[in-house]
Amino acid sequence: GIQVEQSPPDLILQEGANSTLRCNFSDSVNNLQWFHQNPWGQLINLFYIPSGTKQNGRLSATTVATERYSLLYISSSQTTDSGVYFCAVEGGNAGNMLTFGGGTRLMVKP
Amino acid sequence: ETGVTQTPRHLVMGMTNKKSLKCEQHLGHNAMYWYKQSAKKPLELMFVYSLEERVENNSVPSRFSPECPNSSHLFLHLHTLQPEDSALYLCASSQEALQSYEQYFGPGTRLTVT
Repeated sequence: GIQVEQSPPDLILQEGANSTLRCNFSDSVNNLQWFHQNPWGQLINLFYIPSGTKQNGRLSATTVATERYSLLYISSSQTTDSGVYFCAVEGGNAGNMLTFGGGTRLMVKP
Repeated sequence: ETGVTQTPRHLVMGMTNKKSLKCEQHLGHNAMYWYKQSAKKPLELMFVYSLEERVENNSVPSRFSPECPNSSHLFLHLHTLQPEDSALYLCASSQEALQSYEQYFGPGTRLTVT
């Protein structure tokens, strides 16, 4: 099956700093989603982005499908951005079945 | 609020107990999913239902038994679990199961097996 790798695994930022999270995948994808998991376990949808670039406030994402990676940008980070960020992809004929990466654990310090 | 609710939020059960997890989606979707998130492991897909029919079972032990009575409700029946089954169980839904649509997740049930 498709492999999904996220980097870095852990990240500590000072409030106000910018960061880039990366998601590499091993095959072509039909679907790519970025999620933020809060400390209570809730997965919050950030972006549905199988290709191209999207922006939502301080967050933006870019997926370059031909090169098999996606980037999540966080600008002017806030303490509430802390949590785990997951990339999930649906590859080939997977029929909307997502494969998740291992996540990036982000801590933003005040 | 994602439009997907799960109950209970926390559950502690012994290995000989029988319990059920419930998921409900208010999004008018036709597909529902169960995922398992264990410590230090990526989220794993367990079951997929499309219009109340199971379309995928990722080699899940028979002590986990799903039920989908209609497109809005999904249950996971648990019996004779093992301590290694302790995990966060997440439910999700999407417009369809066999095409590429965005998935929306519930808040999860944190299960502890003693």
